[in-house]
Amino acid sequence: SQQGEEDPQALSIQEGENATMNCSYKTSINNLQWYRQNSGRGLVHLILIRSNEREKHSGRLRVTLDTSKKSSSLLITASRAADTASYFCATDGIGGANSKLTFGKGITLSVRP
Amino acid sequence: GAVVSQHPSWVICKSGTSVKIECRSLDFQATTMFWYRQFPKQSLMLMATSNEGSKATYEQGVEKDKFLINHASLTLSTLTVTSAHPEDSSFYICSASPWVRGETQYFGPGTRLLVL
Repeated sequence: SQQGEEDPQALSIQEGENATMNCSYKTSINNLQWYRQNSGRGLVHLILIRSNEREKHSGRLRVTLDTSKKSSSLLITASRAADTASYFCATDGIGGANSKLTFGKGITLSVRP
Repeated sequence: GAVVSQHPSWVICKSGTSVKIECRSLDFQATTMFWYRQFPKQSLMLMATSNEGSKATYEQGVEKDKFLINHASLTLSTLTVTSAHPEDSSFYICSASPWVRGETQYFGPGTRLLVL
């Protein structure tokens, strides 16, 4: 089953507004990562938050992690038209010799100029 | 830094032919490489993980004889789709990590495969 489940599935906002995207997961994790994908392109790593961290910032991005609720949120402040893309959360589960990212279904963000 | 390239960026082939996709880490040594497949408007699904010099570890449901992975050097991994069929048409994305466990992966731009 899908490990990461994002909501909403699609979000449309006006430029300058904040965008909040949520991700829930089912099993224990080492870390949770957020990626951005522009249409038909590869993924861009945005931010990684470890299981022992609760909040992390990077520029206009703010990520929170609540391991008790098995959920994370990504906040993009002061959105720009260039932020229009699909956003995925990916969880890195515990155990295994190799990291294994399990991606959610993604959220399509549209920022209107 | 941490740039990963893929070649070709897109390919169209006839059913029954084999297609090779290259994934290169340009400015770091990729101890671990990953291959994903993404169908339109869907998420990425991990196909296999490879460590340099070792056989790839395939995910459940991925045919290793159909999707041949070779991680021959620390900067190059190849995925060969053998005897491609229309249902293999998809967006194939590789990622690479300089760490053995593969935490924080750097993704390539993807290869779009269309099998006619």
